[in-house]
Amino acid sequence: GQNIDQPTEMTATEGAIVQINCTYQTSGFNGLFWYQQHAGEAPTFLSYNVLDGLEEKGRFSSFLSRSKGYSYLLLKELQMKDSASYLCAVRVNDYKLSFGAGTTVTVRA
Amino acid sequence: EPEVTQTPSHQVTQMGQEVILRCVPISNHLYFYWYRQILGQKVEFLVSFYNNEISEKSEIFDDQFSVERPDGSNFTLKIRSTKLEDSAMYFCASRVGAGEKLFFGSGTQLSVL
Repeated sequence: GQNIDQPTEMTATEGAIVQINCTYQTSGFNGLFWYQQHAGEAPTFLSYNVLDGLEEKGRFSSFLSRSKGYSYLLLKELQMKDSASYLCAVRVNDYKLSFGAGTTVTVRA
Repeated sequence: EPEVTQTPSHQVTQMGQEVILRCVPISNHLYFYWYRQILGQKVEFLVSFYNNEISEKSEIFDDQFSVERPDGSNFTLKIRSTKLEDSAMYFCASRVGAGEKLFFGSGTQLSVL
């Protein structure tokens, strides 16, 4: 089986920074993705890490450490529209992407 | 930006009935997927399809499920005899190549009564 763990919920204030951690133990590893999902909608792609280190894309950054089985998604300058579920997903092989249960982020004014 | 299109957006069916969920992946994509998400739960992998055959399937994808790419554009998921526990949002997804991100459709909400 695939174990992908992330916190269930996080709350932060508008303008603040939030870091969502993800740890994984999977049968294979070909990269790690972060997706954003608003309630009732499809997941949308945020970031992809296949090598160790930090990938920055605007207000969002993602970090990967393959030796530790660990990633985080950093959301800066939080906006109300960032309230959503954030999904950590591991590409286990060429064909399969396995998702964590998601972290619901609530941004408060 | 190109989109993965799914129809219908909502499907209500009686237990034991057959349903077909339809998807039109992005035109130059080569890998196709079905995922499902039961309300309040995680997105679960069902099946991947590449080169006109199933490349991998999960334990959920039993004999009641089948996929087909009947022509160059459509990709369908059939559930032969629906059960109450099949009620979920079903997402179709596609990607162009091996290292690329998945694009998800907007989903079909299946309700089995």
